[in-house]
Amino acid sequence: QSALTQPASVSGSPGQPITISCAGTSSDVGAYNFVSWYQVHPGKVPKLMIYEVSNRPSGISSRFSGFKSGNTASLTISGLQAEDEADYYCSSFRSSGTLVFGGGTRLTVL
Amino acid sequence: EVLLVESGGGLVQPGGSLRLSCEASGFIFSHYSMNWVRQAPGRGLEWVSYMTSDLATIYYADSVRGRFTISRDNARGSVYLQMNSLRDEDTAVYYCVRGVQWGFDNWGQGTLVTVSS
Repeated sequence: QSALTQPASVSGSPGQPITISCAGTSSDVGAYNFVSWYQVHPGKVPKLMIYEVSNRPSGISSRFSGFKSGNTASLTISGLQAEDEADYYCSSFRSSGTLVFGGGTRLTVL
Repeated sequence: EVLLVESGGGLVQPGGSLRLSCEASGFIFSHYSMNWVRQAPGRGLEWVSYMTSDLATIYYADSVRGRFTISRDNARGSVYLQMNSLRDEDTAVYYCVRGVQWGFDNWGQGTLVTVSS
């Protein structure tokens, strides 16, 4: 199963917005609204940030937002903060009855 | 508070078997699908397997299909992963994860499986 395609790294300054892309296909991201995003700090357990493309779980800051257009999903973090520095993974359900993750994006807050 | 506690990891030789267990508490276990997700050292997340709350639907990643078997006991609030014919590339931290519409909202702390001779 090939992974969804994410940039290996992105960076931004505190207070600036950043966007992480997640490219899939018409069999996964383009076909279903089951796209999620996870934040992973080093040595910590993954944390769900966005589910079903654009929904935030309770307790997740409104600075995090999700969007999808065609076969590509995106996560935007507005007003970057130091604690946002982490790895971010997207995931999508796939028509083969599997779930696929992206390769992960390392976010650096400058 | 939702709690997921994995156990059963350890060191095993290639070709060997292990059975992972996950004990859930703090929610109505029989209402949720459950998953196993793994992360190899220095690598990204990889979904492994899924089972619906009613045990009717099971999915596996291509990399483990035919070797791993997911099961659950709703009365005990537990989910299991039987891993056979283990390979070096199965070395990873294995997480028990609660699913909601293919979003994974609660994760255990993970159990390390090391496959090595």
